[in-house]
Amino acid sequence: GEDVEQSLFLSVREGDSSVINCTYTDSSSTYLYWYKQEPGAGLQLLTYIFSNMDMKQDQRLTVLLNKKDKHLSLRIADTQTGDSAIYFCAEKGPGNTGKLIFGQGTTLQVKP
Amino acid sequence: KAGVTQTPRYLIKTRGQQVTLSCSPISGHRSVSWYQQTPGQGLQFLFEYFSETQRNKGNFPGRFSGRQFSNSRSEMNVSTLELGDSALYLCASSLGGIEEETQYFGPGTRLLVL
Repeated sequence: GEDVEQSLFLSVREGDSSVINCTYTDSSSTYLYWYKQEPGAGLQLLTYIFSNMDMKQDQRLTVLLNKKDKHLSLRIADTQTGDSAIYFCAEKGPGNTGKLIFGQGTTLQVKP
Repeated sequence: KAGVTQTPRYLIKTRGQQVTLSCSPISGHRSVSWYQQTPGQGLQFLFEYFSETQRNKGNFPGRFSGRQFSNSRSEMNVSTLELGDSALYLCASSLGGIEEETQYFGPGTRLLVL
């Protein structure tokens, strides 16, 4: 079945690293995504990883994928107060589909 | 390149009415997907349109419908509104190819049903 799970809340201090975790169930997922949502706004694509990759780095963001355990993580280095938001992981199935399955979202609180 | 635009941004309707929301994708994108976001259910897929045809559909009642025009703009319609339809409705666009990997979201339309 299709299911994506995330922890609901993470609090860190400014300057620390944040790690947001996600597990998914569909082993045929082709792409996995991280989106950020600020209050009252839509979803901003942060980064994505293809399912045959283990890691992807993009400036302060590092995505790790453990396909065997169906575990995805997003690490934000040097977390800033502007990173406070809700972070969603999402999976895309194979084939001709634009359908994304989202997790519940992790609220990241960055304390100064 | 302009991003995904959605109109209107806010709507207030009463139960039993119908509503039409509009989404203009990024230029060159042929796929438009719609999602409903509520505090209780999170982000749920409604449907996807590609080249004017519905390509995928989520588990929503028939009161929710959509269409796509030849310029890739899409509309979704909700008839006989219920209180539970109050939500943020997001659309996302992508190129729509088999290997297309990125979807870009609009700011959403916030619908309140009274």
